[in-house]
Amino acid sequence: EVQLVESGGGLVKPGGSLRLSCAASGFIFNDYNMNWVRQAPGKGLEWVSSITSRSTYTRYADSVTGRFTISRDNDKSSLFLQMNSLRAEDTAVYYCARDRKRAAPSYSLDVWGQGTTVTVSS
Amino acid sequence: QSALTQPASVSGSPGQSVTISCTGTSNDVGGHDYVSWYQQIPGKAPKLIIFDVTKRPSGVSNRFSGSKSDITASLTISGLQAEDEATYYCSSYIRSNTLIFGGGTKVTVL
Repeated sequence: EVQLVESGGGLVKPGGSLRLSCAASGFIFNDYNMNWVRQAPGKGLEWVSSITSRSTYTRYADSVTGRFTISRDNDKSSLFLQMNSLRAEDTAVYYCARDRKRAAPSYSLDVWGQGTTVTVSS
Repeated sequence: QSALTQPASVSGSPGQSVTISCTGTSNDVGGHDYVSWYQQIPGKAPKLIIFDVTKRPSGVSNRFSGSKSDITASLTISGLQAEDEATYYCSSYIRSNTLIFGGGTKVTVL
Protein backbone atom coordinates (compact mmCIF):
# COMPACT_ATOMS: atom_id res chain seq x y z
CA GLU A 1 0.00 0.00 0.00
CA VAL A 2 1.30 3.42 -0.94
CA GLN A 3 1.52 5.43 2.27
CA LEU A 4 2.95 8.58 3.81
CA VAL A 5 3.09 8.97 7.59
CA GLU A 6 4.06 12.29 9.17
CA SER A 7 5.41 12.76 12.67
CA GLY A 8 7.17 15.35 14.78
CA GLY A 9 4.40 17.86 15.35
CA GLY A 10 3.70 19.38 18.73
CA LEU A 11 3.49 22.51 20.81
CA VAL A 12 6.39 24.94 20.53
CA LYS A 13 6.95 28.50 21.73
CA PRO A 14 7.33 31.40 19.31
CA GLY A 15 10.89 31.55 18.09
CA GLY A 16 11.38 27.84 18.66
CA SER A 17 12.21 25.03 16.27
CA LEU A 18 10.65 21.77 15.22
CA ARG A 19 11.58 19.04 12.76
CA LEU A 20 8.84 17.19 10.92
CA SER A 21 9.36 13.79 9.35
CA CYS A 22 7.42 11.88 6.72
CA ALA A 23 7.98 8.16 6.24
CA ALA A 24 7.11 6.80 2.82
CA SER A 25 6.29 3.22 1.93
CA GLY A 26 4.80 1.21 -0.91
CA PHE A 27 6.55 3.07 -3.74
CA ILE A 28 10.04 3.92 -4.98
CA PHE A 29 10.55 7.06 -2.93
CA ASN A 30 13.61 8.30 -4.79
CA ASP A 31 11.68 8.47 -8.06
CA TYR A 32 9.34 11.23 -6.91
CA ASN A 33 9.44 14.91 -6.09
CA MET A 34 7.92 15.60 -2.67
CA ASN A 35 6.10 18.50 -1.05
CA TRP A 36 4.92 19.91 2.25
CA VAL A 37 1.49 21.55 2.38
CA ARG A 38 -0.07 23.09 5.49
CA GLN A 39 -3.53 24.02 6.64
CA ALA A 40 -4.12 26.50 9.44
CA PRO A 41 -7.13 25.82 11.69
CA GLY A 42 -10.33 26.47 9.75
CA LYS A 43 -8.37 27.76 6.75
CA GLY A 44 -7.42 26.58 3.29
CA LEU A 45 -4.42 24.72 1.95
CA GLU A 46 -1.09 26.48 1.61
CA TRP A 47 1.82 25.01 -0.31
CA VAL A 48 4.98 25.28 1.80
CA SER A 49 7.92 23.62 0.08
CA SER A 50 9.04 21.12 -2.54
CA ILE A 51 12.14 19.05 -3.19
CA THR A 52 13.14 17.18 -6.32
CA SER A 53 13.76 13.45 -6.29
CA ARG A 54 17.54 13.71 -5.92
CA SER A 55 17.43 16.85 -3.75
CA THR A 56 18.83 18.89 -6.61
CA TYR A 57 16.29 21.68 -6.23
CA THR A 58 14.31 22.96 -3.27
CA ARG A 59 11.61 25.61 -3.33
CA TYR A 60 9.77 27.52 -0.60
CA ALA A 61 6.73 29.69 -0.17
CA ASP A 62 7.62 33.31 0.55
CA SER A 63 6.05 32.96 4.01
CA VAL A 64 8.65 30.41 5.14
CA THR A 65 11.74 31.26 3.08
CA GLY A 66 14.78 31.62 5.30
CA ARG A 67 13.12 29.85 8.23
CA PHE A 68 12.18 26.39 6.90
CA THR A 69 14.43 23.82 5.23
CA ILE A 70 13.18 20.80 3.32
CA SER A 71 15.36 17.71 2.93
CA ARG A 72 15.09 14.02 2.22
CA ASP A 73 16.93 10.77 2.86
CA ASN A 74 16.24 8.46 -0.07
CA ASP A 75 17.99 5.54 1.63
CA LYS A 76 15.45 5.76 4.43
CA SER A 77 12.49 6.81 2.24
CA SER A 78 11.98 9.84 4.42
CA LEU A 79 11.14 13.50 3.93
CA PHE A 80 11.88 16.21 6.47
CA LEU A 81 10.95 19.80 7.23
CA GLN A 82 13.18 21.73 9.62
CA MET A 83 11.23 24.69 10.96
CA ASN A 84 13.08 27.47 12.77
CA SER A 85 12.02 30.86 14.13
CA LEU A 86 8.46 29.63 14.39
CA ARG A 87 5.61 32.12 14.57
CA ALA A 88 2.01 31.87 15.69
CA GLU A 89 0.93 32.00 12.05
CA ASP A 90 2.83 28.76 11.39
CA THR A 91 0.24 26.92 13.49
CA ALA A 92 -1.28 24.35 11.15
CA VAL A 93 -1.65 20.74 10.16
CA TYR A 94 1.35 19.89 8.00
CA TYR A 95 0.90 17.33 5.23
CA CYS A 96 3.57 15.68 3.17
CA ALA A 97 2.45 14.91 -0.36
CA ARG A 98 3.87 13.12 -3.35
CA ASP A 99 4.06 14.53 -6.85
CA ARG A 100 1.94 12.36 -9.15
CA LYS A 101 4.57 11.55 -11.79
CA ARG A 102 7.74 9.52 -11.55
CA ALA A 103 10.99 11.12 -12.64
CA ALA A 104 9.37 14.40 -13.70
CA PRO A 105 7.25 17.05 -12.00
CA SER A 106 3.52 17.03 -12.63
CA TYR A 107 2.52 19.80 -10.19
CA SER A 108 -0.30 17.64 -8.89
CA LEU A 109 -0.18 15.76 -5.59
CA ASP A 110 -1.65 12.28 -5.61
CA VAL A 111 -0.62 10.76 -2.28
CA TRP A 112 -1.03 12.61 1.02
CA GLY A 113 -0.21 11.71 4.59
CA GLN A 114 -2.69 12.10 7.43
CA GLY A 115 -0.95 15.24 8.66
CA THR A 116 0.85 16.27 11.83
CA THR A 117 -0.24 19.23 13.95
CA VAL A 118 2.09 22.07 14.81
CA THR A 119 0.98 24.60 17.40
CA VAL A 120 3.08 27.70 18.03
CA SER A 121 2.02 29.37 21.24
CA SER A 122 3.50 30.75 24.44
CA GLN B 1 1.52 35.73 -4.51
CA SER B 2 -2.17 35.76 -3.50
CA ALA B 3 -4.24 32.61 -3.42
CA LEU B 4 -6.33 31.71 -6.43
CA THR B 5 -9.90 33.01 -6.13
CA GLN B 6 -12.71 30.56 -5.50
CA PRO B 7 -16.27 31.16 -4.28
CA ALA B 8 -16.62 30.40 -0.61
CA SER B 9 -19.58 28.09 -1.11
CA VAL B 10 -21.88 26.54 -3.66
CA SER B 11 -24.88 24.30 -3.16
CA GLY B 12 -27.16 22.08 -5.14
CA SER B 13 -29.81 19.43 -4.81
CA PRO B 14 -29.08 15.75 -5.40
CA GLY B 15 -28.85 15.01 -9.11
CA GLN B 16 -28.09 18.60 -10.07
CA SER B 17 -24.79 19.91 -11.41
CA VAL B 18 -22.65 22.51 -9.69
CA THR B 19 -19.63 24.36 -11.05
CA ILE B 20 -16.80 25.86 -9.02
CA SER B 21 -14.62 28.55 -10.53
CA CYS B 22 -10.94 29.19 -9.83
CA THR B 23 -9.57 32.50 -11.05
CA GLY B 24 -5.90 33.33 -11.24
CA THR B 25 -3.64 35.31 -13.52
CA SER B 26 -1.61 34.84 -16.67
CA ASN B 27 1.29 33.86 -14.40
CA ASP B 28 -0.48 30.82 -13.03
CA VAL B 29 -3.83 29.44 -14.26
CA GLY B 30 -3.65 31.28 -17.57
CA GLY B 31 -0.04 30.41 -18.30
CA HIS B 32 -0.11 26.61 -18.65
CA ASP B 33 -2.28 23.50 -18.13
CA TYR B 34 -1.02 22.45 -14.69
CA VAL B 35 -4.28 23.03 -12.83
CA SER B 36 -5.46 20.45 -10.30
CA TRP B 37 -8.47 20.02 -8.07
CA TYR B 38 -8.64 18.41 -4.64
CA GLN B 39 -11.54 17.21 -2.52
CA GLN B 40 -11.24 17.46 1.25
CA ILE B 41 -13.70 15.95 3.69
CA PRO B 42 -13.48 17.43 7.20
CA GLY B 43 -10.76 15.80 9.26
CA LYS B 44 -9.25 14.05 6.26
CA ALA B 45 -6.35 14.69 3.94
CA PRO B 46 -7.06 16.21 0.53
CA LYS B 47 -7.69 13.85 -2.39
CA LEU B 48 -6.63 14.58 -5.97
CA ILE B 49 -9.64 14.47 -8.31
CA ILE B 50 -8.49 16.39 -11.40
CA PHE B 51 -5.01 17.10 -12.79
CA ASP B 52 -3.74 18.83 -15.93
CA VAL B 53 -7.02 20.82 -16.09
CA THR B 54 -9.20 17.98 -17.37
CA LYS B 55 -7.75 14.58 -16.42
CA ARG B 56 -9.09 12.26 -13.72
CA PRO B 57 -6.91 9.90 -11.69
CA SER B 58 -7.87 6.26 -11.80
CA GLY B 59 -10.81 5.55 -9.52
CA VAL B 60 -12.26 9.06 -9.51
CA SER B 61 -15.88 9.27 -10.61
CA ASN B 62 -16.55 10.61 -14.11
CA ARG B 63 -19.11 12.93 -12.50
CA PHE B 64 -16.14 15.19 -11.84
CA SER B 65 -14.87 17.18 -14.80
CA GLY B 66 -12.50 20.08 -15.28
CA SER B 67 -12.07 22.84 -17.81
CA LYS B 68 -10.26 26.13 -18.31
CA SER B 69 -10.80 29.35 -20.16
CA ASP B 70 -8.11 32.02 -20.09
CA ILE B 71 -7.30 32.70 -16.41
CA THR B 72 -10.26 30.80 -14.95
CA ALA B 73 -10.43 27.07 -14.34
CA SER B 74 -13.62 25.28 -13.41
CA LEU B 75 -14.66 22.06 -11.71
CA THR B 76 -18.10 20.65 -12.48
CA ILE B 77 -19.75 18.00 -10.37
CA SER B 78 -22.58 16.34 -12.28
CA GLY B 79 -25.33 14.26 -10.70
CA LEU B 80 -24.59 15.69 -7.28
CA GLN B 81 -24.62 13.12 -4.48
CA ALA B 82 -24.59 13.42 -0.70
CA GLU B 83 -21.07 11.98 -0.63
CA ASP B 84 -19.84 14.95 -2.69
CA GLU B 85 -20.33 17.27 0.26
CA ALA B 86 -16.80 18.51 0.97
CA THR B 87 -14.47 21.44 0.41
CA TYR B 88 -12.81 21.65 -2.99
CA TYR B 89 -9.50 23.35 -3.69
CA CYS B 90 -7.91 24.26 -6.99
CA SER B 91 -4.17 24.55 -7.40
CA SER B 92 -1.86 25.78 -10.11
CA TYR B 93 1.79 25.64 -10.93
CA ILE B 94 3.40 29.08 -10.78
CA ARG B 95 7.11 28.72 -11.54
CA SER B 96 10.09 26.52 -10.75
CA ASN B 97 8.34 23.73 -8.84
CA THR B 98 6.13 26.07 -6.81
CA LEU B 99 2.39 25.73 -6.38
CA ILE B 100 -0.46 27.95 -5.32
CA PHE B 101 -3.85 26.91 -3.98
CA GLY B 102 -7.25 28.52 -4.10
CA GLY B 103 -9.07 29.50 -0.94
CA GLY B 104 -11.43 26.53 -1.13
CA THR B 105 -15.13 26.12 -1.92
CA LYS B 106 -17.51 24.32 0.38
CA VAL B 107 -20.06 22.28 -1.52
CA THR B 108 -23.34 21.65 0.26
CA VAL B 109 -25.84 19.08 -0.96
CA LEU B 110 -29.29 20.37 -0.09
